[in-house]
Amino acid sequence: ETGVTQTPRHLVMGMTNKKSLKCEQHLGHNAMYWYKQSAKKPLELMFVYNFKEQTENNSVPSRFSPECPNSSHLFLHLHTLQPEDSALYLCASSPKFAGTSGGADTQYFGPGTRLTVL
Amino acid sequence: GQNIDQPTEMTATEGAIVQINCTYQTSGFNGLFWYQQHAGEAPTFLSYNVLDGLEEKGRFSSFLSRSKGYSYLLLKELQMKDSASYLCAVRDSNYQLIWGAGTKLIIKP
Repeated sequence: ETGVTQTPRHLVMGMTNKKSLKCEQHLGHNAMYWYKQSAKKPLELMFVYNFKEQTENNSVPSRFSPECPNSSHLFLHLHTLQPEDSALYLCASSPKFAGTSGGADTQYFGPGTRLTVL
Repeated sequence: GQNIDQPTEMTATEGAIVQINCTYQTSGFNGLFWYQQHAGEAPTFLSYNVLDGLEEKGRFSSFLSRSKGYSYLLLKELQMKDSASYLCAVRDSNYQLIWGAGTKLIIKP
């Protein structure tokens, strides 16, 4: 399944660096999501975009900055991160945003970016 | 608060059957999802239940009881490739997905 791709797959950065994560979906979906996955913890929803408009920001620190230039691409800009931000960052897309439509709007995930902050 | 409970880890034998339970306490209910996630890979969709009962899909089946706030994923004829984490997620009354921490399933020969 290559419907949702993410780059890079692995990233090591210092606390003063600036980097960006990229996500691209080839499924024609209209909603895209950023999640944080830490070991033995539930997936944490960070941001949701529906038709390029941000609809959710779950109290994410400002050192994480999302960008959605079109329905197929999603970025997560990172700056002055902390070691506790080390995690797997997953991107997902769905045909519609369930918050507005209900129903089985299944999310399809990318392989993730394994981020390590030193 | 909202909560999804799943066992942290389970072990089963190749060729056997295993049942992974998920209990939930959420503000409303609009469907329950099961995902499979192999180490270092993306979660992949397995099943969706919104009505009570059993949904069968090949070797995998998923059951839901809304009155009990309970679901299980049943895996039959286990294969080594079934070693993975299994994530339970519930959509609440606001259509937000609430995720469990996942169950790591280890298959032994």
